[in-house]
Amino acid sequence: SQKIEQNSEALNIQEGKTATLTCNYTNYSPAYLQWYRQDPGRGPVFLLLIRENEKEKRKERLKVTFDTTLKQSLFHITASQPADSATYLCALGRPGGGNKLTFGTGTQLKVEL
Amino acid sequence: NAGVTQTPKFQVLKTGQSMTLQCAQDMNHEYMSWYRQDPGMGLRLIHYSVGAGITDQGEVPNGYNVSRSTTEDFPLRLLSAAPSQTSVYFCASSPALALAQETQYFGPGTRLLVL
Repeated sequence: SQKIEQNSEALNIQEGKTATLTCNYTNYSPAYLQWYRQDPGRGPVFLLLIRENEKEKRKERLKVTFDTTLKQSLFHITASQPADSATYLCALGRPGGGNKLTFGTGTQLKVEL
Repeated sequence: NAGVTQTPKFQVLKTGQSMTLQCAQDMNHEYMSWYRQDPGMGLRLIHYSVGAGITDQGEVPNGYNVSRSTTEDFPLRLLSAAPSQTSVYFCASSPALALAQETQYFGPGTRLLVL
């Protein structure tokens, strides 16, 4: 089965800096990869999707890269703000698996003033 | 649109009791699913449905039943609650199975404590 690794330790950065979160996976190459944001006591909220044939995707201050050779996705938040503080989840969709997702455990990001 | 709604928000059960977690969406989404989230573990898929009348098992289906009689509703039933089912449960929906890569919209979750 697919194994997904995200940094279990919280990532603390200063406001204005770029936050970089890592998602590593083993076994099969996913058909696509998604990133979600989750605030305490709430459900995950979709941020970005990147497909297996795409290297990079951007949305406002967010950027996702997908390296199928390294089996890794990086999630960047530029010009970070305290409001970006949350847990970020990566989720992989397997080839032919339809909408079924395998989630990582998430990385908690804290942006300090 | 209300999006994905879940009830109750919080529930305490005794071991052996049964209950139904409700999930509804008003976006006319074909695909719906149930996940559980436990500390130190990612969201794990319990059951999913690709349309009314069609359900299938996910990664951790034991102890849970589902049905999908309408497009809008996807209830999750705990047959005989066990302490191991203490968790936060999330329902999610996505618009189109055909594209097979749609984003999922999550509900606010139900926190379940089984004593």
